[in-house]
Amino acid sequence: GAGVSQSPSNKVTEKGKDVELRCDPISGHTALYWYRQSLGQGLEFLIYFQGNSAPDKSGLPSDRFSAERTGGSVSTLTIQRTQQEDSAVYLCASSLVRTSTYEQYFGPGTRLTVT
Amino acid sequence: TQLLEQSPQFLSIQEGENLTVYCNSSSVFSSLQWYRQEPGEGPVLLVTVVTGGEVKKLKRLTFQFGDARKDSSLHITAAQPGDTGLYLCAGNAGANSKLTFGKGITLSVRP
Repeated sequence: GAGVSQSPSNKVTEKGKDVELRCDPISGHTALYWYRQSLGQGLEFLIYFQGNSAPDKSGLPSDRFSAERTGGSVSTLTIQRTQQEDSAVYLCASSLVRTSTYEQYFGPGTRLTVT
Repeated sequence: TQLLEQSPQFLSIQEGENLTVYCNSSSVFSSLQWYRQEPGEGPVLLVTVVTGGEVKKLKRLTFQFGDARKDSSLHITAAQPGDTGLYLCAGNAGANSKLTFGKGITLSVRP
């Protein structure tokens, strides 16, 4: 079956512009996660969705970052007024909560470069 | 806050060598997972361990969950260049479906 997909795969934007990153989770996966990964580093948790609600937004670095999920499926991460420090790979993952071990399945990521 | 510390942070070895890397915490996890990430791709799940003391094998990779469910180890026998990547451990404390990730171990296997 289809895995997690993310678009675009690469995004270059000018400082101060807004960007939208999209994630299509595996069908039927109720949990969705966004992470940020800087070069060669581990994963920085951003936000977690259960269905369309976000019980944990604790990782969003500033109010320039927001995310939504509609129809229990597609999610969009929006970064407003981008800064150079926002440059990173943004990873999305989905999980089938029923398993109780919450294995996460990741997309290939969106590489964001802010110039 | 549950933290997972992975060690060593970087490891460069010759093809054919054996290695063991670690994932440690002061917190108890209901389950723990290992992922491998190759450049330009997302992490891929290797294994989930649930029971204290559990050992799982995946070809040349052996994963162990500590008896107290606070730590885990990954042993690779006769490493190959295809094992090169970033190895991440992640734990679930059971309160919700959020995982806590370690910072990862960068492994390079030289031919």
